[in-house]
Amino acid sequence: KNQVEQSPQSLIILEGKNCTLQCNYTVSPFSNLRWYKQDTGRGPVSLTIMTFSENTKSNGRYTATLDADTKQSSLHITASQLSDSASYICVVSERTGTASKLTFGTGTRLQVTL
Amino acid sequence: GAGVSQSPRYKVAKRGQDVALRCDPISGHVSLFWYQQALGQGPEFLTYFQNEAQLDKSGLPSDRFFAERPEGSVSTLKIQRTQQEDSAVYLCASSLAGTKNIQYFGAGTRLSVL
Repeated sequence: KNQVEQSPQSLIILEGKNCTLQCNYTVSPFSNLRWYKQDTGRGPVSLTIMTFSENTKSNGRYTATLDADTKQSSLHITASQLSDSASYICVVSERTGTASKLTFGTGTRLQVTL
Repeated sequence: GAGVSQSPRYKVAKRGQDVALRCDPISGHVSLFWYQQALGQGPEFLTYFQNEAQLDKSGLPSDRFFAERPEGSVSTLKIQRTQQEDSAVYLCASSLAGTKNIQYFGAGTRLSVL
């Protein structure tokens, strides 16, 4: 069964600090990998989407990396802000004949404190 | 509309009751997805529409779950004879076309079955 595993499960950091979230996957054949941010009580919001040929992609203070050989991705958050407190979900898309299926990780819950 | 709209935001049902959850996708979005998100877990795929056609319903957990999108815009997820294990947040997402584009999520409907 295709799986997406994220670590750590939860993380607490001080405002202004950097952090890195990890994602390992077994989805095959691979189509693309996405990182979503989900605030409590809200739907997920897309941060980045990377295809097989892309190693890194940035969106403001968020930088995602992808190593398709080792099937690993990371999301680096720079100079964290209180508003970064949320769950960050790694989503891997499986390439199928007519459409792609998404497999979601369980997320990393990030809390940024003063 | 500006985003994906779901209603109701919260639904409490007695076990055995039927419920209907509504999703208004972003105007012009061809593809629509339903997901089920249990507490502390990532979303799990339920079903996918392209216009009015239900192309994939492999994620529906039982025949008590039924989804429709008769005119290719608004969609309804119906759950018959609800059971306690149906308690979850039901997320709807839409995208421009196909499954490879960014999906925009609604805030979800939190269903509690007593």
